[in-house]
Amino acid sequence: GNSVTQMEGPVTLSEEAFLTINCTYTATGYPSLFWYVQYPGEGLQLLLKATKADDKGSNKGFEATYRKETTSFHLEKGSVQVSDSAVYFCALTHIQGAQKLVFGQGTRLTINP
Amino acid sequence: NAGVMQNPRHLVRRRGQEARLRCSPMKGHSHVYWYRQLPEEGLKFMVYLQKENIIDESGMPKERFSAEFPKEGPSILRIQQVVRGDSAAYFCASSLPLTGASYEQYFGPGTRLTVT
Repeated sequence: GNSVTQMEGPVTLSEEAFLTINCTYTATGYPSLFWYVQYPGEGLQLLLKATKADDKGSNKGFEATYRKETTSFHLEKGSVQVSDSAVYFCALTHIQGAQKLVFGQGTRLTINP
Repeated sequence: NAGVMQNPRHLVRRRGQEARLRCSPMKGHSHVYWYRQLPEEGLKFMVYLQKENIIDESGMPKERFSAEFPKEGPSILRIQQVVRGDSAAYFCASSLPLTGASYEQYFGPGTRLTVT
């Protein structure tokens, strides 16, 4: 079945550091890939997405590229801020059938000033 | 345009009681999804509904859990005879009607259920 594996957390960085959160997936066909962010006490917000191989999703300085050859969708940001502290979830879904999201376990990110 | 609304935001129930969680999708959205998030875990799919129709309930526990999305009113996730293991955050998401193209699910703020 479909699954998503994320880099183990928690991750703690200093402000302005470079961020990478690894995400790999297992799926048949060509899933769509997503990164969601969850701030404390809130629901999930879509951060970025990519729907086909080699697509790059980007938003708020975050980027992720859909790599079919390595089945990966790693999240990167060149210079993190304290306000980026949150839990980040990688997820996938398929257009065919019921489009339920399959999530990774989440990576908690803390940015220290 | 109001986002996905969920209520209550926090719900405390004693073991054996019933819990009813409500979700109002975004305006124009006719598809609703329910997910459960256990402490320190990712979200797990529970059920996918359209108006008056359950499309996929493969993630729903076989007993005590049910969901509906009536023609009028919010979607309801109902948990009967709650147990401590039901304590979790329950998130609802909604989307536009599926067209085969890329779509997006919009999430509500969640209902945090605590069973004492």
